[in-house]
Amino acid sequence: DAKTTQPNSMESNEEEPVHLPCNHSTISGTDYIHWYRQLPSQGPEYVIHGLTSNVNNRMASLAIAEDRKSSTLILHRATLRDAAVYYCILRDGDTGRRALTFGSGTRLQVQP
Amino acid sequence: DTGVSQNPRHKITKRGQNVTFRCDPISEHNRLYWYRQTLGQGPEFLTYFQNEAQLEKSRLLSDRFSAERPKGSFSTLEIQRTEQGDSAMYLCASSLIQASQETQYFGPGTRLLVL
Repeated sequence: DAKTTQPNSMESNEEEPVHLPCNHSTISGTDYIHWYRQLPSQGPEYVIHGLTSNVNNRMASLAIAEDRKSSTLILHRATLRDAAVYYCILRDGDTGRRALTFGSGTRLQVQP
Repeated sequence: DTGVSQNPRHKITKRGQNVTFRCDPISEHNRLYWYRQTLGQGPEFLTYFQNEAQLEKSRLLSDRFSAERPKGSFSTLEIQRTEQGDSAMYLCASSLIQASQETQYFGPGTRLLVL
């Protein structure tokens, strides 16, 4: 599986935008970029995913670099509830391997 | 709430004992996954089912571990002769086969402590 690299931790202030980076320089053409997050004492939850184009949903936006070697998860206005570990995951759209391969993620702290 | 449920939420056992965890997926979800998560690490894949068929097992799933999904609905994960290294959060997730990038929905996990 292609690997991802994320900062261990980031801090943000409440109601400010947050940009969470992810490097995936060995991404293949069929790899989708997924983001999940894990709130304290809970299981992970899906945030967003994309292949080439930028994506928006009610939770976040995903900006994908033109060469696809990096991506950024954007939380437009951080709230205290967004404090979580955020995982950037590559998932092959071709081979049919279904499991998610989690790294260590980025721990986001949100200050009031 | 119709999310993924797991029971028990916490389990404390002595080394050498057997334990069994249950996962009830979201209704009509045909894929079910088991992951294990140790403190400070991301979840690690253990195994997954499509309906009642176990399609993939990780190298982490030693012969002391066995998982079943007998009728394609709920699943059980059994650990025999538990060891202290088995202490972890065991997470279950389910998904519905749609396009190749289906979303996995996770349960709250079962936290196991082996003394």
